[in-house]
Amino acid sequence: SAVISQKPSRDICQRGTSLTIQCQVDSQVTMMFWYRQQPGQSLTLIATANQGSEATYESGFVIDKFPISRPNLTFSTLTVSNMSPEDSSIYLCSVEDPAGVWGDTQYFGPGTRLTVL
Amino acid sequence: AQSVAQPEDQVNVAEGNPLTVKCTYSVSGNPYLFWYVQYPNRGLQFLLKYITGDNLVKGSYGFEAEFNKSQTSFHLKKPSALVSDSALYFCAVRGANLAAGNKLTFGGGTRVLVKP
Repeated sequence: SAVISQKPSRDICQRGTSLTIQCQVDSQVTMMFWYRQQPGQSLTLIATANQGSEATYESGFVIDKFPISRPNLTFSTLTVSNMSPEDSSIYLCSVEDPAGVWGDTQYFGPGTRLTVL
Repeated sequence: AQSVAQPEDQVNVAEGNPLTVKCTYSVSGNPYLFWYVQYPNRGLQFLLKYITGDNLVKGSYGFEAEFNKSQTSFHLKKPSALVSDSALYFCAVRGANLAAGNKLTFGGGTRVLVKP
């Protein structure tokens, strides 16, 4: 399976500020995804980030609030902009490489626990 | 649209007893089905998946799941639960066709508590 790291692992931020979360994978992957897990809830897909193209956002999520970069096949960032307490969640990245050895399985990073005061 | 239902918010089981976590799904076409486990303050760990082939799939840590097409179910099972199996379990689905993309839809999660 993939080895995926996220930075920071957790952070406490003030409302109105922005935080950039990094996701690094130990091998090249075609697809990367960003999810949000609000307290006590399931995972909700924010966007799909493929290298060389703009991220594709799910309904309810917009680029101005959650800008995403995917500069290469091993790295992506998610920024949570102009934060409010409602943004307090765990943010997880995942990777998938359908043409690779993992087939159709998504593997997840350890998550970033964000608290907004 | 695709969806997943995990009807039980929590399952309590005594250590050594069989564990079952229920999952039903809805998706267009053939399903790709997955189970993940989340331990406290950790990310999601992949347990097993059904893509095609045998309806009974075996995964990590002694877990298995049975795909039942007629009942659109994919229940997770373990013959003998351990205290260390206490965690949050998620079922996920996506469609096999390209139009579905690779987007996973997750169930609401089932918390498993295994008591000594």
